[in-house]
Amino acid sequence: NAGVTQTPKFQVLKTGQSMTLQCAQDMNHNSMYWYRQDPGMGLRLIYYSASEGTTDKGEVPNGYNVSRLNKREFSLRLESAAPSQTSVYFCASSRPRGLNTDTQYFGPGTRLTVL
Amino acid sequence: GIQVEQSPPDLILQEGANSTLRCNFSDSVNNLQWFHQNPWGQLINLFYIPSGTKQNGRLSATTVATERYSLLYISSSQTTDSGVYFCAVSQNKLIFGTGTLLAVQP
Repeated sequence: NAGVTQTPKFQVLKTGQSMTLQCAQDMNHNSMYWYRQDPGMGLRLIYYSASEGTTDKGEVPNGYNVSRLNKREFSLRLESAAPSQTSVYFCASSRPRGLNTDTQYFGPGTRLTVL
Repeated sequence: GIQVEQSPPDLILQEGANSTLRCNFSDSVNNLQWFHQNPWGQLINLFYIPSGTKQNGRLSATTVATERYSLLYISSSQTTDSGVYFCAVSQNKLIFGTGTLLAVQP
């Protein structure tokens, strides 16, 4: 039982390049999330998926797209990376409690630098 | 949107000391969680506590939903307790506070 896994762990991009961050969970959770964490700040929600086949914008969705590929996998895509997207990206999953989020379990994070 | 404030912003303790971290939130919530981010960046869920009191070893948490605050107690602190403690609340999506940076010195 690996929990939540993310790839890659580190990535350096040039401005304008694209990339996809991968996330998978093996806990049979319905809900999955992408957050970014900037220095000295808490986590901010980018996108989430309450269940397979659905995705919704979070607090800071601009510049990102997501795909809920199946129940296990939720990917985050940067189409044209910008220096402002330099951050640590965390994926999380949880069981839903109706409209509420249950305990969230986090992956190890991806440290992204955009030059 | 809902505001989450944590205090103190940072804290230095000697090993063995006790501490209390506070989380205030600006609106009623139906979910409150405490997380620990260790110095290597890993986020660990400590408590799911929208109301009431829970204990897990040396850690305990109390949420008074009617007064819109939660407290995290750390007793007999250890160096491994160092890191950032986040409070996160939601009505439907989690909103994180900016955290309390804790350093426990041997």
